[in-house]
Amino acid sequence: GENVEQHPSTLSVQEGDSAVIKCTYSDSASNYFPWYKQELGKRPQLIIDIRSNVGEKKDQRIAVTLNKTAKHFSLHITETQPEDSAVYFCAATSWGKFQFGAGTQVVVTP
Amino acid sequence: NAGVTQTPKFQVLKTGQSMTLQCAQDMNHEYMSWYRQDPGMGLRLIHYSVGAGITDQGEVPNGYNVSRSTTEDFPLRLLSAAPSQTSVYFCASRSGTYVYEQYFGPGTRLTVT
Repeated sequence: GENVEQHPSTLSVQEGDSAVIKCTYSDSASNYFPWYKQELGKRPQLIIDIRSNVGEKKDQRIAVTLNKTAKHFSLHITETQPEDSAVYFCAATSWGKFQFGAGTQVVVTP
Repeated sequence: NAGVTQTPKFQVLKTGQSMTLQCAQDMNHEYMSWYRQDPGMGLRLIHYSVGAGITDQGEVPNGYNVSRSTTEDFPLRLLSAAPSQTSVYFCASRSGTYVYEQYFGPGTRLTVT
């Protein structure tokens, strides 16, 4: 089955700096790669996603890149703000099943 | 639309007790899933359903049962609770085969003593 590894597990950044989280996956059949943000005690919420036929996608301060050959994808957050502090999860979807990474705790310090 | 709803929000069980976690969605979504979330392990798929009457196992199905008699509801049953089932449980739904955006419920925090 699919295996997703996510790094780093924690990330501390200064407000205004960029944050990058990386994920690798194992199943070449995976075709959908979402990123979720989860605040403490809340449900995961989709912030951006990318399909396997696209290499990059941007939405304001966040972007996702996908390298199908290397089987890795990354989340980029620019101009970080304190409200970006949360746990971020990547996932890879193969045959409709979602396999999640272990999560990255992002702390943005003013 | 209420989206995906879950009850209860919190539950404490003793080892060996049984209970049902409720999940409902009002978006007419075909696909529904149950995940458990443990510290440092992300979300792991327990069971999922691709439509009424159709269910299948996920990554960690042992100790859990599901059924899907209607499009709206997808309950998760713990037949004999164990401390290892202490976790936060999330239900999620999405529209269909090629629509992957998944909506999560607010979660149920379960403690088994």
